[in-house]
Amino acid sequence: ILNVEQSPQSLHVQEGDSTNFTCSFPSSNFYALHWYRWETAKSPEALFVMTLNGDEKKKGRISATLNTKEGYSYLYIKGSQPEDSATYLCAENFSSGSARQLTFGSGTQLTVLP
Amino acid sequence: DAMVIQNPRYQVTQFGKPVTLSCSQTLNHNVMYWYQQKSSQAPKLLFHYYDKDFNNEADTPDNFQSRRPNTSFCFLDIRSPGLGDAAMYLCATSRRGASNQPQHFGDGTRLSIL
Repeated sequence: ILNVEQSPQSLHVQEGDSTNFTCSFPSSNFYALHWYRWETAKSPEALFVMTLNGDEKKKGRISATLNTKEGYSYLYIKGSQPEDSATYLCAENFSSGSARQLTFGSGTQLTVLP
Repeated sequence: DAMVIQNPRYQVTQFGKPVTLSCSQTLNHNVMYWYQQKSSQAPKLLFHYYDKDFNNEADTPDNFQSRRPNTSFCFLDIRSPGLGDAAMYLCATSRRGASNQPQHFGDGTRLSIL
């Protein structure tokens, strides 16, 4: 059984604050780690797909790191803005049969207060 | 520009009355997935199609069926919905064998059971 855990479950920050949250996952049979942003009433949107230990990726004010040996990834948001309010989902990619599958965490719900 | 389209956005059905949710894609991706997400929980994979090959998750209830008549369309049929089937249903697509590629999601269908 593959468990992907995210913490914290929810988070409130003030506009301008920087923040980070954690995704932990089983490190054996690792293929890839995905981060998605899911805004209310919209579709989940891919932020990053990370495959290599030590990977760091950046998209604007958002960045992510990956440690496959210890099984965790951090997502950082620098200078949070109200439009960053969303649920951030991570998911581990593992192989089963003929296609790759994602196992999701339950997400971190971020609210950025103006 | 929507690439993965789910209809309807909201669906209300009666206890025990069959319901069908639809998903279409313009990405020409080989793999299509159906996820179920209940409140504040991780999206849970129900099944996926790899081209025409159907892959059912071991714990997906028999009540849930799927059809993929062509590359573009995939349907989720719930034969006799129970109160516990009320959830958000997400459709997603990905390219063949591309484990390091993100999944592309629709906006979801929120299903309510009366």
